[in-house]
Amino acid sequence: EAGVVQSPRYKIIEKKQPVAFWCNPISGHNTLYWYRQNLGQGPELLIRYENEEAVDDSQLPKDRFSAERLKGVDSTLKIQPAELGDSAVYLCASSRRTGVDEKLFFGSGTQLSVL
Amino acid sequence: QKEVEQNSGPLSVPEGAIASLNCTYSDRVSQSFFWYRQYSGKSPELIMSIYSNGDKEDGRFTAQLNKASQYVSLLIRDSQPSDSATYLCAVNIDYNTDKLIFGTGTRLQVFP
Repeated sequence: EAGVVQSPRYKIIEKKQPVAFWCNPISGHNTLYWYRQNLGQGPELLIRYENEEAVDDSQLPKDRFSAERLKGVDSTLKIQPAELGDSAVYLCASSRRTGVDEKLFFGSGTQLSVL
Repeated sequence: QKEVEQNSGPLSVPEGAIASLNCTYSDRVSQSFFWYRQYSGKSPELIMSIYSNGDKEDGRFTAQLNKASQYVSLLIRDSQPSDSATYLCAVNIDYNTDKLIFGTGTRLQVFP
């Protein structure tokens, strides 16, 4: 079974530039999460999808961040314009469904450096 | 007060020893607790989950939960150098919204 696939693995951009990250969850997983992990910190949830619907985006900085999950499968997270403080690892995770005991499977992440 | 607190470490233990990793949480209604392992430059992977007070054992790993003290721990017996990683405690702080909060992680170093 293929795991959660993310691309690109690394991205270096200058501030004020746009950037996009892509995630393909495990087949059959209805719930998809985007997390941001700063160096030395734990992952912080940005947005959670159940199928196509964003059910928790309270931590997403909506002035510059946007996300979509068309057809309830792949998802894209975009930052426009990027700021220096956006440098972090962006992790995508998926689970079969939403539930307190559901296991999250993480992708390898995209390491973003904003110069 | 942070919702999930961990000592950042590093915690250094010799090979073969027991490593004890601790985590406290602030929300008394939290129901689900998880330990993730994260190797340097890699993504987190779930190693243990626990929902009831007491101990839960899986191989060399034992998770311990004490809801009255709002404390969850992970014991690693017979520690191996390959166990060297950052261990993240995660707590579901809201049963209704299924929101998982991660601690900052404890870095474990197992030396030969």
